[in-house]
Amino acid sequence: SQQGEEDPQALSIQEGENATMNCSYKTSINNLQWYRQNSGRGLVHLILIRSNEREKHSGRLRVTLDTSKKSSSLLITASRAADTASYFCATVGNDMRFGAGTRLTVKP
Amino acid sequence: NAGVMQNPRHLVRRRGQEARLRCSPMKGHSHVYWYRQLPEEGLKFMVYLQKENIIDESGMPKERFSAEFPKEGPSILRIQQVVRGDSAAYFCASSPQGPPLSRITDTQYFGPGTRLTVL
Repeated sequence: SQQGEEDPQALSIQEGENATMNCSYKTSINNLQWYRQNSGRGLVHLILIRSNEREKHSGRLRVTLDTSKKSSSLLITASRAADTASYFCATVGNDMRFGAGTRLTVKP
Repeated sequence: NAGVMQNPRHLVRRRGQEARLRCSPMKGHSHVYWYRQLPEEGLKFMVYLQKENIIDESGMPKERFSAEFPKEGPSILRIQQVVRGDSAAYFCASSPQGPPLSRITDTQYFGPGTRLTVL
């Protein structure tokens, strides 16, 4: 079952702009993960942030976690057309739960 | 509409035995994905199947692992002669349609996972 809720559901931007996606959840977690899925392919793991971490960077990705608000954000800086994909957050507590995803379109 | 179902939820096997993991997709879904998750790591894609077809098995180990999604019944991930390194959580996900038709191609619905422990 889906738990995390990503917003927006769909996001369309121009190449070079930044893209921010948010994820909210309800239960306590050990860690939160972000995934990307290109059309017709499986999920690809992007980044994992632990519950005692507040921010993490990986290349053009920046993830924040606010456990008091039970929310996380994924920022993709200087977006490229190749970043066009769906992005999912997943929370890991007693089990692993996925949100429904944000569909990001980056226009060249 | 029941969600994606996986069984068993927990499976214990001794080294050398076979493990069979089942995944029943959501009603109306004809695409199934299998993932493996090691502790404190993210999901790793294993295989993508449609009914009676393997579309992408680039993440499957070459030996001992196989997957099927028959015309009738659940998708099965089979691990022969299990070893301790196979201990992990195995998740399946289903989606309603695949490319190039569906605009909701990328919506995957995940099952609760099967936790395999190899003694």
